[in-house]
Parts: sequence; C-alpha cells; structure tokens
Amino acid sequence: DAGVIQSPRHEVTEMGQEVTLRCKPISGHDYLFWYRQTMMRGLELLIYFNNNVPIDDSGMPEDRFSAKMPNASFSTLKIQPSEPRDSAVYFCASSYLQGSGELFFGEGSRLTVL
Amino acid sequence: AQSVTQPDIHITVSEGASLELRCNYSYGATPYLFWYVQSPGQGLQLLLKYFSGDTLVQGIKGFEAEFKRSQSSFNLRKPSVHWSDAAEYFCAVGRNDYKLSFGAGTTVTVRA
Repeated sequence: DAGVIQSPRHEVTEMGQEVTLRCKPISGHDYLFWYRQTMMRGLELLIYFNNNVPIDDSGMPEDRFSAKMPNASFSTLKIQPSEPRDSAVYFCASSYLQGSGELFFGEGSRLTVL
Repeated sequence: AQSVTQPDIHITVSEGASLELRCNYSYGATPYLFWYVQSPGQGLQLLLKYFSGDTLVQGIKGFEAEFKRSQSSFNLRKPSVHWSDAAEYFCAVGRNDYKLSFGAGTTVTVRA
C-alpha cells in the first residue's frame, strides 16, 4: 500500500487566501485524523472521522477551519481566510482497527502564511 | 484530562551507547500508551504500544518500553543506538476513542 498521501507537501500563501489541504487515507482504514504540529503547541488533534462522519471536531481552532470527508478515500482541510498564525505542519493520519491506537501518518503539509 | 510530559527536550548520545527517553503521563484510568518516532520531514511512525498485560513491551527497531503504574511512567529504551536513530520521539496517551495526547517530544542526536 502507498500509505497515507497528503498534498501539497508545501504551501506558501498570503494572509486572507483560502488554503485547501488534501488527504488520501490507506485503503480499508475507517478512521481519519487531522493533526497540526507547531513548535509552540506540539501535536494537536483538530478533527477525526469514522466511516466518513466527523466524530469530534473540538480541536478545530475556529470557524475559519473546516474539514470534510466526502468518501472513504478522500478528505480535505480548508482554512478560509488564512492567517500567519495558521503556519504549521498539518498531518493526516488513518487507522483501521477500533481501539488499536496505531495511527499511520502521512508526510505532512507544511503551510506558511505570509 | 489526560496529559503527557517528556522532561527531556534534547538528548545527545554516542553511537553504540544506550538510550533512555522518559515519559510521564496523567490519566484517570489505565491508559493506552504509545511511542512514535518522527524523522526529519516525515510523518510519525509507531514504535510500540502498551494496552495491558506484560509491562515490558518490545517494539520495532530494537526499542522497548516499560510501563510502571506506580510511577505513571512509560520510558523508552534501546541498548545500543545507531546513527539512524537520530530523530524526534513522541510519547502519547489515550484510550480507545482515539483522542491521543502527545508529549512535546524529545529530539535525539547521535554522535559518531
């Protein structure tokens, strides 16, 4: 399997622009997670889905952030409008067995908002 | 609320020497405990996990960890470090709801 695939790997944008990050989970995995990693706050869980349904979005920082999972093989994390403080590495991860706790991470999308 | 503390931000170790990374957790029940490794520019990879049973857990790449309930610790060890072990290591705690809390991470530098 190709693993979790994220795009773009790097994104540089200007404040106020819309940013869309994409994720393809491992086939057969029924959980999908979006994490954000910063030096100041470490790894934070933003939202996770089970069978394409959002289960917990309490980590989403504010209304500018939204996430969707239209089908089992694709998810997006959108920031609109973007701000410099959104600069971070955004990771998507998937998992296949309830309670296993093993998350398979993508390589991340590094976002820089100028 | 669950939380994880990794007291060491950065550790430098000589190649061939032993390595121990500390992890302390706070959790109201018996937790699930994990160690992940992150190489530069990469995502996190699971090294090992503890759910129950034997408190000494073996993982990949020659790593092991020991769960000590009395000390609320889950320290990671490796008897002999290789240069390829240079990375950032994260301890995480959670339960079967997948809401893992990660520690701040420990960066390991390996010198020749």
